[in-house]
Amino acid sequence: GDSVTQMEGPVTLSEEAFLTINCTYTATGYPSLFWYVQYPGEGLQLLLKATKADDKGSNKGFEATYRKETTSFHLEKGSVQVSDSAVYFCALNAGGTSYGKLTFGQGTILTVHP
Amino acid sequence: GAGVSQTPSNKVTEKGKYVELRCDPISGHTALYWYRQSLGQGPEFLIYFQGTGAADDSGLPNDRFFAVRPEGSVSTLKIQRTERGDSAVYLCASSLQGSGGRNEQFFGPGTRLTVL
Repeated sequence: GDSVTQMEGPVTLSEEAFLTINCTYTATGYPSLFWYVQYPGEGLQLLLKATKADDKGSNKGFEATYRKETTSFHLEKGSVQVSDSAVYFCALNAGGTSYGKLTFGQGTILTVHP
Repeated sequence: GAGVSQTPSNKVTEKGKYVELRCDPISGHTALYWYRQSLGQGPEFLIYFQGTGAADDSGLPNDRFFAVRPEGSVSTLKIQRTERGDSAVYLCASSLQGSGGRNEQFFGPGTRLTVL
């Protein structure tokens, strides 16, 4: 079945450090890929998405490129801020008979220190 | 405008009891989704409604779980004979139409269910 694997956390960085959170997936066909973020005390929010191979999603300084050859969708940010501290979830939608379903990874906790 | 709302925010019940969790989607969103999130895990899909009908209920874990959306707006997730393993945060989301990557799913704050 479809699955998403994220790098083990938690991740702790100093402000202005470079961030990478790895995400790989298993799916039949051509899934759409997402990163969702959950800030402390808030609900899940879509951060960025990519719907086909080689697409790059970007938002708030975060980027991720849909790599079909490596089945990956790694999240990157060049300079993190304290306000980026949150839980990040990689997810996919496989389409077809799973049209409405998002499959999530286990989440990665990011803490950024001043 | 108002986002997805869920009530109650917290529910504590005893093993074997019946519970109902409510979701109010964003106005005009025809698609509605239920997920369950256990501690330290990502959300796990339960069921997806398109309008009044369940388009995909493949994630419901067993027949103790049931969901309805009788008028195509508000949805209720019903759990019979609750078990301690049902303890989790239950998330609701809605989107303009069915998803598939084209329409963002907007999530509510969740209902934290604790079964004692």
